[in-house]
Amino acid sequence: QSVVSQPPSTSGTPGQRVTISCSGNSSNIGKYYVYWYQQLPGTAPKLLIYRNNQRPSGVPDRFSGSKSGTSASLAISGLRSEDEAFYYCSTCDDGLRGSVVFGGGTKLTVL
Amino acid sequence: EVQLVQSGAEVKKPGDSLRISCKASGYDFTDHWIGWVRQMPGKGLEWMGIIFPGDSDTTYSPAFQGQVTMSADKSISTAYLQWSSLRASDTAIYYCAKGGDWNPQDYFDYWGQGTLVSVSP
Repeated sequence: QSVVSQPPSTSGTPGQRVTISCSGNSSNIGKYYVYWYQQLPGTAPKLLIYRNNQRPSGVPDRFSGSKSGTSASLAISGLRSEDEAFYYCSTCDDGLRGSVVFGGGTKLTVL
Repeated sequence: EVQLVQSGAEVKKPGDSLRISCKASGYDFTDHWIGWVRQMPGKGLEWMGIIFPGDSDTTYSPAFQGQVTMSADKSISTAYLQWSSLRASDTAIYYCAKGGDWNPQDYFDYWGQGTLVSVSP
């Protein structure tokens, strides 16, 4: 059970906008940056968002991140079938001696 | 182009020792953190720890402290993850990943393809 929680699953139809939440507390999200990764089936994770809301080069602007207090969100607009994947948030946690912690992951299904 | 190429799948027995590798290219290996992430079958990502190849400074997650050893060989731009005595519960895919340019200990911007380690009697 991670100290940072995500919904296990969500879904949307092509073209729709979906959001994935990441909830923590003052010892992790409330204090540190949040990062988001996408893991397509059978592949290694890929960085989607760093420092709460920054996109690495090559990541479409359909993906956006935000943070408020002890929660963060990943939004995907103009949903496409190839967005079907697991999404993980991550941050640091004081209770783990500053180590990085991942959320449990959210499976996005494109209907 | 940044690349992290990991060693191939391993099949081991409980009690065996093992070292897997991660060969880096396309960037200054000694100037960026490298980390390891475990993914057990059908499960999520777990951060194991990170190493700075420049001086071998290492930070382990409390969950993995004493269970594995991370090391790096600057001369061949390769990072290693090592077990002295494997358990069945070590069965997982292990990813190496390069620390990002901002807050480099906090996230990974490039990942290896993963190494599957299977441990069974």
